[in-house]
Amino acid sequence: EVQVVESGGDLVQPGDSLRLSCAASGFTFTNCAMSWVRQAPGKGLEWVSTVTGSGRDTYYADFAKGRFSISRDNSKNTVYLQMNGLRAEDTAVYFCAKSAVGRLYFDYWGRGSLVTVSA
Amino acid sequence: QPALTQPRSVSGSPGQSATISCTGTSGDVGGYNYVSWYQQHPGKAPKLIIYDVTKRPSGVPDRFSGSKSGNTASLTISGLQAEDEADYYCCSYAGNWVFGGGTKVTVL
Repeated sequence: EVQVVESGGDLVQPGDSLRLSCAASGFTFTNCAMSWVRQAPGKGLEWVSTVTGSGRDTYYADFAKGRFSISRDNSKNTVYLQMNGLRAEDTAVYFCAKSAVGRLYFDYWGRGSLVTVSA
Repeated sequence: QPALTQPRSVSGSPGQSATISCTGTSGDVGGYNYVSWYQQHPGKAPKLIIYDVTKRPSGVPDRFSGSKSGNTASLTISGLQAEDEADYYCCSYAGNWVFGGGTKVTVL
């Protein structure tokens, strides 16, 4: 059974840093790109970042470039999202999502991790 | 402002059909056959229900169908059921990924 479980969400102050983790199981991790998608309270889904299966290539939404960094440790079946310089508008539930092998959609999602940025 | 435009709400009685539109541009919906749709119940994770415009993952009922014409994709739910009441999001690959603002489906 495919499982994707996020952790690391917290209440932080503006300007702080935070690292989210996403532990995956039930599939061949190295074959699949992994992504982060966020959802602000009461709002829609917003793509944040994607890392390829090897970890060699990474992609970011414009708002994340220069502040967020995605990485993965294939020995631990875990993806990370390092977020620096957090702003109030980054407050959201951050979902980790798996892509099917070589495909451009998100076939399994975690339940999310809440990040709250507030003074 | 979401990149893709969806109606905020759609409603229908049990057994009726409901169609959700998703309008983008030639740079996203119109330019790629990589539109996907996600169902999200309150407080839950999104669930993939359509990928590559028209394909259904295993386990998704065949009352869900997808289509595309030009820069507009559509999701049709035929024979609405109570459990279909949820938020629905379209997504298109466009060099990166862009989502619609979401549509709340209400079963009357």
